[in-house]
Amino acid sequence: EAQVTQNPRYLITVTGKKLTVTCSQNMNHEYMSWYRQDPGLGLRQIYYSMNVEVTDKGDVPEGYKVSRKEKRNFPLILESPSPNQTSLYFCASSFSGPNEQFFGPGTRLTVL
Amino acid sequence: SQQGEEDPQALSIQEGENATMNCSYKTSINNLQWYRQNSGRGLVHLILIRSNEREKHSGRLRVTLDTSKKSSSLLITASRAADTASYFCATVLLGNTDKLIFGTGTRLQVFP
Repeated sequence: EAQVTQNPRYLITVTGKKLTVTCSQNMNHEYMSWYRQDPGLGLRQIYYSMNVEVTDKGDVPEGYKVSRKEKRNFPLILESPSPNQTSLYFCASSFSGPNEQFFGPGTRLTVL
Repeated sequence: SQQGEEDPQALSIQEGENATMNCSYKTSINNLQWYRQNSGRGLVHLILIRSNEREKHSGRLRVTLDTSKKSSSLLITASRAADTASYFCATVLLGNTDKLIFGTGTRLQVFP
């Protein structure tokens, strides 16, 4: 089954404790992206990757890191989480460019 | 500020009625996409319309694009309770085709 998977689905952590949210797709998509969703703000793009070893900042990259060492994986790293990073995070992928993206189920992160 | 803004923010209708949602954007686009999100879940791509297209259909969905007014509309005909969801427009900008920018969404409630 074609899908984008994210882990964990729910996470409660404390300020400053490094964490990684994994994202994996099995569709051989070149484009992958991370979004955060906050009430009243819609989805905002954090980082995206056009292909392996190619990543770039979205609209809200501060406090986040990503890597794309393999085509299928695109982990999101929070080196020192802060409460303002409490949000619902989505990973997405698409064949080429940000068109007709497939979304993962989301990761709900709470930073205390 | 958001590139895309949907109107209305919320819409309630009865099953069988048509639902129309509008999206306005500020900057010239390469394409415009509509996504659906069931409560708290990942988004699902519905339809993509390119800047040189004026209308597109997919099942009960009809999307129009008016680039002179920088606006798009999504019409769902003969709505069903299962159409209850949030609907987002998202744009790929002309000259910056690596990123997808979402609007704030319309929450549609369809009563049986």
